[in-house]
Formats: sequence, structure tokens, C-alpha cells
Amino acid sequence: DTEVTQTPKHLVMGMTNKKSLKCEQHMGHRAMYWYKQKAKKPPELMFVYSYEKLSINESVPSRFSPECPNSSLLNLHLHALQPEDSALYLCASSPLPHSQGTEAFFGQGTRLTVV
Amino acid sequence: GENVEQHPSTLSVQEGDSAVIKCTYSDSASNYFPWYKQELGKRPQLIIDIRSNVGEKKDQRIAVTLNKTAKHFSLHITETQPEDSAVYFCAASIPHRGSTLGRLYFGRGTQLTVWP
Repeated sequence: DTEVTQTPKHLVMGMTNKKSLKCEQHMGHRAMYWYKQKAKKPPELMFVYSYEKLSINESVPSRFSPECPNSSLLNLHLHALQPEDSALYLCASSPLPHSQGTEAFFGQGTRLTVV
Repeated sequence: GENVEQHPSTLSVQEGDSAVIKCTYSDSASNYFPWYKQELGKRPQLIIDIRSNVGEKKDQRIAVTLNKTAKHFSLHITETQPEDSAVYFCAASIPHRGSTLGRLYFGRGTQLTVWP
């Protein structure tokens, strides 16, 4: 299995809803990432997990809450989002998180619309 | 943090021609430079990458060059085809705030259109 799988593919939620995005990889990668991507823009890093521990939080609002239950799974819990949070949310993984530079593989993303 | 500049923002070429996209970076600690292709509505896909100890790398019609002294790297696509049409992102990876944890900084992207 050489893929990063994200569910759901599409999500529409109200500003008072609570929802979760899920990401799974079975490549044995020990670094996992959440990115947010707006139309015609590059991915913006949100969180990095290294060996199941949160290592980087790019000053993301607390209405986004990441969770890494095990080395294969990564969740992003959403609560009280704003319409401007509508975007493509991408999960990625890489073999090791160290600074030598390792390939990051992206999931197909969840297209989130906040109404 | 790192600053990655990418040019041009749009590029139109005729099928069969070559396309070149250029990126510059600011932090000399950057050590890994991947290129991603993103088709409309799809995920970014790694198409080629290069590490700081290599000057050039080629994979069929795609090549990347790196000039560490000048802090710039380029993507070259030869014999372009309509299916090469997509947004291309360059990126640079540097250690995060003195740790051993690397993170990617992306350029703003280049919309490549290949006309048949």
C-alpha cells in the first residue's frame, strides 16, 4: 500500500457543527502532516506529528484540533468553524521527519465547505 | 523562516516545446528541493526532487537543476504534452527552528498550459 487515504472526500458543515477528518497510511511513515490549501494557492502547513507526537503547530486556531491515535492514523477535529475555513485539507506523510529531507506523499484531500 | 520565490506564475507552451520553471530560496540551510504537480481538484504529486549534494537530476522528460551558490533551482520539462498541463509547486525543506525536524516551504505555484 503506497497511498495516503483521506475521508471524507467532501464535507459540508455548519458553523455550530463538530466533525472530524481522517487520514490513514500504511507505509510505515513516522511523520504525518495536515495542510490547508485555498484555491490557486500553495499548501499551508498546519500541524506536524513526529513519532505520534505533535511537533509543529503553525499557530492554528483552537477550533482545529489534531490527533494521532497511532502511527498509521491522523485525525483533524473541527468545531465552530468559520466560512473562511472552507478549503481543501490535505494530509501528508513522509518516512522520517528529520531534516535530511524526505519525500512527502499527499492524500487526495477533503474538500471542506463551511456554511 | 524560508522564503521560496517561484516564476513565472503562468506559462503557456505549444505541445512539443520545453517548459522551464524557476525557484529561488533564501535559507542556505535548505537541503531538499521537491517539485509537485497538482491537477485541478487533485492532490499534489511528487514528480522529482533533488538534494543539496546533487547539482542535477533527470527522469525521462523531467529534469531539475540546483545551484546552491546562487540559491536557485529549476524544473525543466522537455517535449511537453497536453497532459503536462497543471499547477507546479516548488518547495524547499529546512530544519524547523533548530530542531532535526524538517518542514517544507512552498513556492506560489506555476500554472502550466500546454496547447495541442
